[in-house]
Amino acid sequence: GNSVTQMEGPVTLSEEAFLTINCTYTATGYPSLFWYVQYPGEGLQLLLKATKADDKGSNKGFEATYRKETTSFHLEKGSVQVSDSAVYFCALSGSESNYQLIWGAGTKLIIKP
Amino acid sequence: DVKVTQSSRYLVKRTGEKVFLECVQDMDHENMFWYRQDPGLGLRLIYFSYDVKMKEKGDIPEGYSVSREKKERFSLILESASTNQTSMYLCASSLPPFGRNTIYFGEGSWLTVV
Repeated sequence: GNSVTQMEGPVTLSEEAFLTINCTYTATGYPSLFWYVQYPGEGLQLLLKATKADDKGSNKGFEATYRKETTSFHLEKGSVQVSDSAVYFCALSGSESNYQLIWGAGTKLIIKP
Repeated sequence: DVKVTQSSRYLVKRTGEKVFLECVQDMDHENMFWYRQDPGLGLRLIYFSYDVKMKEKGDIPEGYSVSREKKERFSLILESASTNQTSMYLCASSLPPFGRNTIYFGEGSWLTVV
């Protein structure tokens, strides 16, 4: 069945550092891939998505490229800010899951000034 | 902007009590969801609904039921609360089809069962 694996957190970085949060998936066919973010005390919100191989999703300086050959969708940002501190969730949607979202466990990101 | 409103942010209930968590969305979305969020486990789907009076079990429906009498409102019911249901509960909504459209989340309800 479909599954999503994220790197365990917390990830602690200094402001302006480069960020990578790894996400790999298992799925048949061509799933859609998503990153959601949960800021402290809030619900989740969509950060970016990609619906086919080699697509790059981007938003708020974050990027992720849908890599079918490595079944990955790693989240990157060139220079993080304290305000990026949050929990980041990778998710996929595919026909095998009846298009329900399959969620990773989440990665907590802490940015220190 | 889409708004998903959960009626209670923080609740403390006793074991065996019947608990209602209410959720309202203002964007006329057909799909509504209840998730449970626990550290290290991510989000787990409890129930979802794709239309008024329609519901489907998610991954962890045991101990829960739902009600959708109006399109904008989706209620989660814990028939007899237990301590292992202490968790953060997230309501969400989206347009169909599942997984192809953005899911909008409420701010969450922290439930503690003592």
